[in-house]
Amino acid sequence: AQRVTQPEKLLSVFKGAPVELKCNYSYSGSPELFWYVQYSRQRLQLLLRHISRESIKGFTADLNKGETSFHLKKPFAQEEDSAMYYCALQTGANNLFFGTGTRLTVIP
Amino acid sequence: GAVVSQHPSRVICKSGTSVKIECRSLDFQATTMFWYRQFPKQSLMLMATSNEGSKATYEQGVEKDKFLINHASLTLSTLTVTSAHPEDSSFYICSARDPRSGYSYEQYFGPGTRLTVT
Repeated sequence: AQRVTQPEKLLSVFKGAPVELKCNYSYSGSPELFWYVQYSRQRLQLLLRHISRESIKGFTADLNKGETSFHLKKPFAQEEDSAMYYCALQTGANNLFFGTGTRLTVIP
Repeated sequence: GAVVSQHPSRVICKSGTSVKIECRSLDFQATTMFWYRQFPKQSLMLMATSNEGSKATYEQGVEKDKFLINHASLTLSTLTVTSAHPEDSSFYICSARDPRSGYSYEQYFGPGTRLTVT
């Protein structure tokens, strides 16, 4: 069965420090992985997807199939990065499974 | 960009009554919409997939007769919580796929509806 694990419910870092939000997945097929972000009082929105291999707002995430991980990283955290971050696994056209989320707080 | 709205944003109802939540795609036509439920400090759980012009596909454990989904048009899906009970209190979020998106699986989320059953 598919599963997405985000081990940290809360993560606090100082402004300018590196940040890494962990995500591990369990899925027997070929995974499609995403990071979604929810800023305060805003709706959930897509941050990045692994197939695009893109950097959005300074964030990157690399799919590591050997470790079944898709950690989100940013070298220098900014205050505006404070938000709730969800890792998600797509297993089919209609199946998107979310992790429990990590609340990131960037301390000024 | 694709925008999805929900109405109402919050609703309080009495136990035993029914409440309807609307999900609209504002600038695109969505043949497929999704309904999620989120408990406090927990993740989003997919409840059902709503397909325009056909019956919704419910996830295991979701009561079809309790959570009625209607996708009558390409821009509107509704979720009706029938005979609501306090345990149905939750945050309900809908999403929709924009067929114009270069990535066909991408979902755009509504702002959510906070349901409180007293």
